[in-house]
Amino acid sequence: QQQVKQSPQSLIVQKGGISIINCAYENTAFDYFPWYQQFPGKGPALLIAIRPDVSEKKEGRFTISFNKSAKQFSLHIMDSQPGDSATYFCAASIFRGGSEKLVFGKGTKLTVNP
Amino acid sequence: GAVVSQHPSWVICKSGTSVKIECRSLDFQATTMFWYRQFPKQSLMLMATSNEGSKATYEQGVEKDKFLINHASLTLSTLTVTSAHPEDSSFYICSARGPSSGGAIDTQYFGPGTRLTVL
Repeated sequence: QQQVKQSPQSLIVQKGGISIINCAYENTAFDYFPWYQQFPGKGPALLIAIRPDVSEKKEGRFTISFNKSAKQFSLHIMDSQPGDSATYFCAASIFRGGSEKLVFGKGTKLTVNP
Repeated sequence: GAVVSQHPSWVICKSGTSVKIECRSLDFQATTMFWYRQFPKQSLMLMATSNEGSKATYEQGVEKDKFLINHASLTLSTLTVTSAHPEDSSFYICSARGPSSGGAIDTQYFGPGTRLTVL
């Protein structure tokens, strides 16, 4: 019940296209949904995050869409660039035992072709 | 702001030796830090939650005697892999709870990771 399911596992997009990554969860106790970008050999970097009381959040070319009733959320990267090529992880946060725990999806490797 | 560093960035050691990895929050104080492990092309798995001045809370299946965590100050947590074996080879990443931009709720900021290779 604490899993976060992420798809697709890999994604290839042409430069200028839209990249869409989807995540789903079961536990309604999750209350914070961040997306992380990770380059090879580096730690994850927070990209954008949303709380369940908001249906959409946009920051530059990155948009999170959140569907609370369906327990799904997605990341849209508009005008995808080769520099966006990285692995993207969705996550969900739950407060448990006096501390926060982040549960990560399995990741999506995005390749943006020039 | 909200920068987390790790040292070393990579380490190679012989089987049976112990290795210490440091995690520092550079521009903020972190009462809570987290240690993750990531195998190649896999997701991050939480190993333990470290609170300043108290014992770490380990996730199920993580050996607390093998992975020693010390959170001695508000800016430093250390992970010591004791008697390391080749199966401990992995990418170890720490994170620290820090101020969230534009909001009242803290968020996790991740370090750059430490690549451990045990021969």
